[in-house]
Amino acid sequence: SAVISQKPSRDICQRGTSLTIQCQVDSQVTMMFWYRQQPGQSLTLIATANQGSEATYESGFVIDKFPISRPNLTFSTLTVSNMSPEDSSIYLCSVGGVNTEAFFGQGTRLTVV
Amino acid sequence: KNEVEQSPQNLTAQEGEFITINCSYSVGISALHWLQQHPGGGIVSLFMLSSGKKKHGRLIATINIQEKHSSLHITASHPRDSAVYICAVPRYSARQLTFGSGTQLTVLP
Repeated sequence: SAVISQKPSRDICQRGTSLTIQCQVDSQVTMMFWYRQQPGQSLTLIATANQGSEATYESGFVIDKFPISRPNLTFSTLTVSNMSPEDSSIYLCSVGGVNTEAFFGQGTRLTVV
Repeated sequence: KNEVEQSPQNLTAQEGEFITINCSYSVGISALHWLQQHPGGGIVSLFMLSSGKKKHGRLIATINIQEKHSSLHITASHPRDSAVYICAVPRYSARQLTFGSGTQLTVLP
């Protein structure tokens, strides 16, 4: 199993600013996933973060808007840059899920005003 | 057509009722996940199953690989079961999960 500590749990931010979300895993993992969940919607994958290489972004998401760091096998950050009200969502990090159980962070509820 | 379809979208039940949530998928898979999302946003894995049935407390998950269908049952439902339940299947080509739209369950006391 894996335990993921994600922070902050929630934040209210001014438009035009940036927020960095952190995820710490209690074990070493190769791939970490970052998701966005817009109000009333299901999870959408933003990017896959591998240690030692650039993150792989899904269609519709770009590195300038959602830069990701993966400095080691237990930690990753996602930054939401130059925020607008449309970025108000829950952001989640996750590990596993393809051949193993999936584990998620507690989620970051972001409100942009 | 979405790869993963869940029903119902919303479900309200009285405490003690037997709950069933359904999930159908269109792709070949080796396993399916049932997840629970609490109002705060955090997601907990309930089951990962590839065949037959699994049981944990009052929760039971079944899967029929041939029919590409899975169900999540809650026996003797309780208000604390109120949450969003999500099924998800892995997409091997992309090594990631595809999620259903979720079922919002509300259990009234």
